[in-house]
Amino acid sequence: LAKTTQPISMDSYEGQEVNITCSHNNIATNDYITWYQQFPSQGPRFIIQGYKTKVTNEVASLFIPADRKSSTLSLPRVSLSDTAVYYCLVGGIPMNRDDKIIFGKGTRLHILP
Amino acid sequence: DTGVSQDPRHKITKRGQNVTFRCDPISEHNRLYWYRQTLGQGPEFLTYFQNEAQLEKSRLLSDRFSAERPKGSFSTLEIQRTEQGDSAMYLCASAYAGPPETQYFGPGTRLLVL
Repeated sequence: LAKTTQPISMDSYEGQEVNITCSHNNIATNDYITWYQQFPSQGPRFIIQGYKTKVTNEVASLFIPADRKSSTLSLPRVSLSDTAVYYCLVGGIPMNRDDKIIFGKGTRLHILP
Repeated sequence: DTGVSQDPRHKITKRGQNVTFRCDPISEHNRLYWYRQTLGQGPEFLTYFQNEAQLEKSRLLSDRFSAERPKGSFSTLEIQRTEQGDSAMYLCASAYAGPPETQYFGPGTRLLVL
């Protein structure tokens, strides 16, 4: 399973666009990239998923360059309610006992008024 | 609501007691995952099922932990002889086998071992 690297924390202001980048240098050919949002004391919530180029839904966009070694989650016009931890996940189930799904510590996004 | 549900939402127990948690996945999903999450950390994979078969177990899952999914629907996670280090949020997620695969998480069960 591809290891991911994200910034530990980010601050932004209401109304701004926020971009969170995730590095995944050893992504496999058939791996998809998935982003989750988690609020305190809740389970992670699916935001967006993609394989290449650009994916957009009603809450976010996901940009994936041609080499797929990184991805950027873009949140347009954030509000205070977007304050949460964001996780980048690459691939899926572990292939053997030495591997496991690694969410990492995620990126703590703090939106300021 | 057709999302993933977990029961109970909170559990307080004394060290040495056994606890059991239940997860009801999204009905059409054939995969079910269990994770553990401690404060400030991301979810850590414990085990997963495809239908009723338990296909992978993390090294985190000691012999005190056991999980079942008897009919390929709901699942239970039991912790025997609980220890204070077992205090955590236990998350369940379900998915339809991909690729791509998208896991949908339940609200979690918060366990406190005194």
